[in-house]
Amino acid sequence: DQQVKQNSPSLSVQEGRISILNCDYTNSMFDYFLWYKKYPAEGPTFLISISSIKDKNEDGRFTVFLNKSAKHLSLHIVPSQPGDSAVYFCAASAPSSNTGKLIFGQGTTLQVKP
Amino acid sequence: DAMVIQNPRYQVTQFGKPVTLSCSQTLNHNVMYWYQQKSSQAPKLLFHYYDKDFNNEADTPDNFQSRRPNTSFCFLDIRSPGLGDAAMYLCATSTPRLAGRFYEQYFGPGTRLTVT
Repeated sequence: DQQVKQNSPSLSVQEGRISILNCDYTNSMFDYFLWYKKYPAEGPTFLISISSIKDKNEDGRFTVFLNKSAKHLSLHIVPSQPGDSAVYFCAASAPSSNTGKLIFGQGTTLQVKP
Repeated sequence: DAMVIQNPRYQVTQFGKPVTLSCSQTLNHNVMYWYQQKSSQAPKLLFHYYDKDFNNEADTPDNFQSRRPNTSFCFLDIRSPGLGDAAMYLCATSTPRLAGRFYEQYFGPGTRLTVT
């Protein structure tokens, strides 16, 4: 029973183009969604988040879109840079957790080619 | 810099030999988490502490235990490691949710556990 799914294990894009990473979820109670980036031999680092009351959040080159009716979110990176090459995890949290524990997707490996 | 530190970075243990992984933080966060991540899989939450309050996930095997002696430190004990316990173990910290606010988790670099 995987509540958060990233169906694309990998994505390859050209430097300067847009990268779109997708994530689907099943639990309609999730109220916060986050994206983390992970380089090899490092822990995940927080990238951007969105509350379920919004449909878009932007931070520099990174934008997250939320479609609640479709239970789908996406991360857009524009323009993509070689340093963006990493594994990207989406994660979600439900208000039933007073601590903010997260359910993670299995990750998408992004390769940005120079 | 405030951070989450995990020691050791790489741990090799023998089948059935108890092992302890450690995590420390300088962020003074109330909540500490332990995740298990196997290759190409999602990080899976094992348990977490909210201050001294321990919260075990329903599907975490009894073989996994945890201790949090103070705010800064948290330990993961694997009592009898099996080959299936070989994984990356990630420690994370956060401020707990508040009404209208959500705080991201900060992760350590992880400990890669090998079971021989």
